[in-house]
Amino acid sequence: ETGVTQSPTHLIKTRGQQVTLRCSSQSGHNTVSWYQQALGQGPQFIFQYYREEENGRGNFPPRFSGLQFPNYSSELNVNALELDDSALYLCASSLKGTDTQYFGPGTRLTVL
Amino acid sequence: EDKVVQSPLSLVVHEGDTVTLNCSYEVTNFRSLLWYKQEKKAPTFLFMLTSSGIEKKSGRLSSILDKKELSSILNITATQTGDSAIYLCAVKAQGYDSWGKLQFGAGTQVVVTP
Repeated sequence: ETGVTQSPTHLIKTRGQQVTLRCSSQSGHNTVSWYQQALGQGPQFIFQYYREEENGRGNFPPRFSGLQFPNYSSELNVNALELDDSALYLCASSLKGTDTQYFGPGTRLTVL
Repeated sequence: EDKVVQSPLSLVVHEGDTVTLNCSYEVTNFRSLLWYKQEKKAPTFLFMLTSSGIEKKSGRLSSILDKKELSSILNITATQTGDSAIYLCAVKAQGYDSWGKLQFGAGTQVVVTP
């Protein structure tokens, strides 16, 4: 196990609602990245946080936002949920300047 | 646009067989290539290959980076049922626009039958 934890494990929401997913980094890591993995696809990069600021962003709309806290834990917020947001959301932690990212077990989001 | 393509998409082998998985990439300013194993949810890190470290081995798993062909292979020898998983290849590029981003392929689903 990597030491990266995520909550909740599963979540069911309806279209238009808002959701917050949480992630705790591996001890000693200062950077958190979020990914969306749709069924049958590889993870897609949403964004990365370092020093409590967004440090890079993939092709996701502004309704996907995040936070990083002083203890390096992080939140992913998604507003105005759409059916296509149904996916596994993965959080990964790393040390700034290194390439290897260590993933948590993910949160399975279902939007009805 | 950066691209990572894995092949095959899936395969079924018998225990004891050898498996070779392929990953090709088109990435501006390549920095590193990573292999992950995803069994249920969390991808677990296997190897990282860079221009200065093009071959890695750990037990029955090994990986090689071909910088000329812009590709990598992951070999699994003497497969076991516990090797059944999705194997993901990801590429990291240099530069500001690529901070934090791992570009993943779609993965190869490996099923090892007893």
